[in-house]
Amino acid sequence: DAGVIQSPRHEVTEMGQEVTLRCKPISGHNSLFWYRQTMMRGLELLIYFNNNVPIDDSGMPEDRFSAKMPNASFSTLKIQPSEPRDSAVYFCASSQGNRGPHSYEQYFGPGTRLTVT
Amino acid sequence: AQSVTQPDIHITVSEGASLELRCNYSYGATPYLFWYVQSPGQGLQLLLKYFSGDTLVQGIKGFEAEFKRSQSSFNLRKPSVHWSDAAEYFCTGGGNKLTFGTGTQLKVEL
Repeated sequence: DAGVIQSPRHEVTEMGQEVTLRCKPISGHNSLFWYRQTMMRGLELLIYFNNNVPIDDSGMPEDRFSAKMPNASFSTLKIQPSEPRDSAVYFCASSQGNRGPHSYEQYFGPGTRLTVT
Repeated sequence: AQSVTQPDIHITVSEGASLELRCNYSYGATPYLFWYVQSPGQGLQLLLKYFSGDTLVQGIKGFEAEFKRSQSSFNLRKPSVHWSDAAEYFCTGGGNKLTFGTGTQLKVEL
C-alpha cells in the first residue's frame, strides 16, 4: 500500500494568496483527518470526515480555512486568503472505523510544509 | 474535560540505557490510548495502542506500554534505546474525543 499521500510536500506562497493542500487516504479507509503542527501549538486536529462527510470542524481556526472531501479517495484543505501565521506543517491522516477519531489508529501522511511570506 | 498530558518535554538518554516516557490521561472511563513516534520531517507512526484487556501492550521497534488505571497512566518503555530512537513521541487518546499530548522530544547520546 502506498500509504497516505499528500501534495505538495512544500509550499511557499505570499500573504493573500490561495493555498490548496491535497490528500489521498489509504484505500478502504473511511475516516480522514487534517491536522496542523506548529512549535507553539503542537498538533491540532482541524477537521475530520467520516464516509466523506465532515463530522467535526471545530478545530478549523477561521473562515479562511475550508476542507472538502468529494469522494473517498481525495480531500483538500484550502486557505484563502493565506496569512503568515498559517505557516505550519499540515498533516493528513486516515483510519478505518466509525466509532469516532479517538477509537482507531491513524495513518499519517508525510505532511505539507507551508510557508506564507 | 478529558485530556492527555506528557509531563516531560525533553528527555536525554544514553544509547543502551532503558527509557520510560510518561503519559497521564484524564477520563472517567477506560480510554483508547495510543503512542506515536515522529521522526524529523516525517509524519506520525503508530507504535502501539490500548483499548482493553491485557494492560501491558507490545508495539513495534521493541517498545511496550503499560496501562495503569490507578495512576491514570500509560507510560511508554524500552529496555535498551538505540540511536535511531531519537524522535518526538506523542501519547494520544480519549474517551469520546481525540486528544494529543504535547509530545516528548527524545535525544539519544552515543
